[in-house]
Amino acid sequence: QVQLVQSGAEVKKPGSSVKVSCKAFGGTITRNAISWVRQVPGQGLEWMGGIIPIFGTANYAQKFEGAVTITADESTNTAYMELNSLRPEDTAIYFCGRGSNTGTTEYFMDAWGKGTPVTVSS
Amino acid sequence: SYELTQPPSVSVSPGQTARITCSGDALPKQYAYWYQQKAGQAPVLVMYRDTERPAGIPERFSGSTSGTTVTLTITAVQAEDEADYYCQSTDSISINALFGGGTKLIV
Repeated sequence: QVQLVQSGAEVKKPGSSVKVSCKAFGGTITRNAISWVRQVPGQGLEWMGGIIPIFGTANYAQKFEGAVTITADESTNTAYMELNSLRPEDTAIYFCGRGSNTGTTEYFMDAWGKGTPVTVSS
Repeated sequence: SYELTQPPSVSVSPGQTARITCSGDALPKQYAYWYQQKAGQAPVLVMYRDTERPAGIPERFSGSTSGTTVTLTITAVQAEDEADYYCQSTDSISINALFGGGTKLIV
């Protein structure tokens, strides 16, 4: 069973950027759909975007297009999510998730990281 | 833009059956997935491809689909099933994933 280990909590100033990592143990990410999901305190889950490393190109939800960059390093089984121009409203928990290899480009998550809290405050 | 619609809450007594619905125009063509999220925890996949139950998920969880609505059914609900439940599917045009707004199951 693959485990996803995310980087630790971050506190950032408005206008800065944050980069969160998600490393897979016990499995690879090459042919798997990796998603990043945001959860603002007290609110629901929000799909930000994802990447299937073997295809290389990331997909982004319209809301996050231009603000988020998702990448993956197959050599280290690690995915990254960088969020730019941070605002207080970006304060949230950021989860990564991995879907089992289905041979399709469908995004779903049968393994999740524990989440990375990001606080944006001056 | 495409949306998935869930009821904000469903309330049942222990031992009863809970049904949580998710509606979306593309659901006849795209698979639905269901996640359970308990307070302070990461979500857990409890149903995939509309009706398939992952290993380790109790048999009391089942999924069904009818037209533009998919349903997660929990029979003989237990106190431990109290959680937020989210459906997720795919936008047919963009191939991006999206979540429903979530349903709080109150036991």
